Amino acid sequence: AQTVTQSQPEMSVQEAETVTLSCTYDTSESDYYLFWYKQPPSRQMILVIRQEAYKQQNATENRFSVNFQKAAKSFSLKISDSQLGDAAMYFCAYRGHGSSNTGKLIFGQGTTLQVKP
Amino acid sequence: SAVISQKPSRDICQRGTSLTIQCQVDSQVTMMFWYRQQPGQSLTLIATANQGSEATYESGFVIDKFPISRPNLTFSTLTVSNMSPEDSSIYLCSAWRGTFEQYFGPGTRLTVT
Repeated sequence: AQTVTQSQPEMSVQEAETVTLSCTYDTSESDYYLFWYKQPPSRQMILVIRQEAYKQQNATENRFSVNFQKAAKSFSLKISDSQLGDAAMYFCAYRGHGSSNTGKLIFGQGTTLQVKP
Repeated sequence: SAVISQKPSRDICQRGTSLTIQCQVDSQVTMMFWYRQQPGQSLTLIATANQGSEATYESGFVIDKFPISRPNLTFSTLTVSNMSPEDSSIYLCSAWRGTFEQYFGPGTRLTVT
């Protein structure tokens, strides 16, 4: 069974600085998808960024980028130029590909990010 | 994209009663999912709701306790039956079209007294 682990329950960053959130996962599949979701206090889950495992290039979305290390099964999220609106809980998630893609997401434990003004 | 609404947004219920949570998507989707989330914790999948067939439940969740309906491609309900204080949680609905993104509703905060 696949598992996702986020070992940082809480992180803090100064506004305008850079922070990296860690995520590791375990799977026997070669193709899969990885996601980072943001959940602010409003509870609304927002997709931040996604990575297809068959792509070697790390995904980037504006101030958000990932460091995808397939062999190490690591998928960290880097937030550059942190803003107060980035404060939220961040979840790393895994989903299978192909025949094992049932749409089910497997979530990590979450990391609460605090942004200090 | 897809916009998902849930009703009610929150409720306080008495032990032993049941609550039905509705999830409405603004467009047709392939799969709908129900998650449970304790405040400040991760999401746990309860079941996958398929249109035209019975829901598929995850380990630890049973149909008698969490009956689910999926009458069409845009709507689903989750009932929390015979509630106890341990059922106090946030219940989230999500929808998937078979592409990359999975969309989430705003959640229903349930408190059982």
